[in-house]
Amino acid sequence: DAGITQSPRHKVTETGTPVTLRCHQTENHRYMYWYRQDPGHGLRLIHYSYGVKDTDKGEVSDGYSVSRSKTEDFLLTLESATSSQTSVYFCASGWGNQETQYFGPGTRLLVL
Amino acid sequence: GENVEQHPSTLSVQEGDSAVIKCTYSDSASNYFPWYKQELGKGPQLIIDIRSNVGEKKDQRIAVTLNKTAKHFSLHITETQPEDSAVYFCAASKGGKLIFGQGTTLQVKP
Repeated sequence: DAGITQSPRHKVTETGTPVTLRCHQTENHRYMYWYRQDPGHGLRLIHYSYGVKDTDKGEVSDGYSVSRSKTEDFLLTLESATSSQTSVYFCASGWGNQETQYFGPGTRLLVL
Repeated sequence: GENVEQHPSTLSVQEGDSAVIKCTYSDSASNYFPWYKQELGKGPQLIIDIRSNVGEKKDQRIAVTLNKTAKHFSLHITETQPEDSAVYFCAASKGGKLIFGQGTTLQVKP
């Protein structure tokens, strides 16, 4: 398995609180992705990165920001968490377009 | 933008039977179609993929077919085993962004 870890694995927070989720990969993959998974919606792309400091929006990017200062780390920030952002968040990484994406174990976030 | 529909949402089969999951996509420019398996509490894992220049691909008990004209692709699992029980996701990609289907929960009964 590709070396992708996510932290924290579980988090409970309150509405209006900032939250940062971290993804770390040891495969030197150029591309990294953040998805959220909700019942009935499959996985939806939030943001992705195609290199250090190079990021772009996915289909559900409102309320989220990302940063990538090193190849191995990709951070997802909820500036002011809302209950609608309660979800399971998955990070993935890969070599590039049309290549396999390797997923991390997920972070379960509950916003009260 | 791309939209991917996946059917059925749940599928129950007897061990040893075959299982088929179907997906349709909307954007004819999509050119990469992976299938992922997700076990409870884990992240999705790629099981097979197909590119738009190929009509069929097999890997042991798993096969995927692609019909570009009809814009649909299917996952076929033969000789199912209890360890095949999981949630399966199809996806379509254009320009590197994966759009996933809603998922199919496959239950293989011993």
